[in-house]
Amino acid sequence: EAQVTQNPRYLITVTGKKLTVTCSQNMNHEYMSWYRQDPGLGLRQIYYSMNVEVTDKGDVPEGYKVSRKEKRNFPLILESPSPNQTSLYFCASSLYGTGGQNSPLHFGNGTRLTVT
Amino acid sequence: AQSVTQLDSHVSVSEGTPVLLRCNYSSSYSPSLFWYVQHPNKGLQLLLKYTSAATLVKGINGFEAEFKKSETSFHLTKPSAHMSDAAEYFCVVILSNFGNEKLTFGTGTRLTIIP
Repeated sequence: EAQVTQNPRYLITVTGKKLTVTCSQNMNHEYMSWYRQDPGLGLRQIYYSMNVEVTDKGDVPEGYKVSRKEKRNFPLILESPSPNQTSLYFCASSLYGTGGQNSPLHFGNGTRLTVT
Repeated sequence: AQSVTQLDSHVSVSEGTPVLLRCNYSSSYSPSLFWYVQHPNKGLQLLLKYTSAATLVKGINGFEAEFKKSETSFHLTKPSAHMSDAAEYFCVVILSNFGNEKLTFGTGTRLTIIP
């Protein structure tokens, strides 16, 4: 089944303890992206990757890192999490481009992160 | 600059009655517009898209949306609501400028269906 898989689904951690949220897609998509969803703010892009070894900042990149060593994987790394990073995170991918008209986005089921 | 405004954060309708979720956009260029749906504990799923072909766009599960350039609107409608339509809906605008595409999400509308 074609899908975007995120792990874990739920994560509770403490301030300053490094964590990684994994994202994997099995559709051979070129483009991958991370979003955070907060009440009343919609989805905001954190980082994106147009292809392997190519990543760039989105609208809210502070406090996050990503890597794209393989086409299928795009982990999100929080080196020193803080409470303001408590949020619902989504990974998404598309065949090419940025999820535009010819290649819409496919989303994972989300990771709910709580930082205390 | 581009932006998208979803006029209602929460809409409640009775089962079997029409649904209207409102979206207005601003864009300096001809936009591409999308509606995505998010069911509880799930990721977002594409509902329908407008890409400058027909102004009335039909999507999955009986939803449709009409692009009205004069009103800069892209409202989502369904003639008869079903319990399974309860979800959060996001309007998305895409600006294409010199080959670069930038997505902007609305803040979402939570649709509640009353039995």
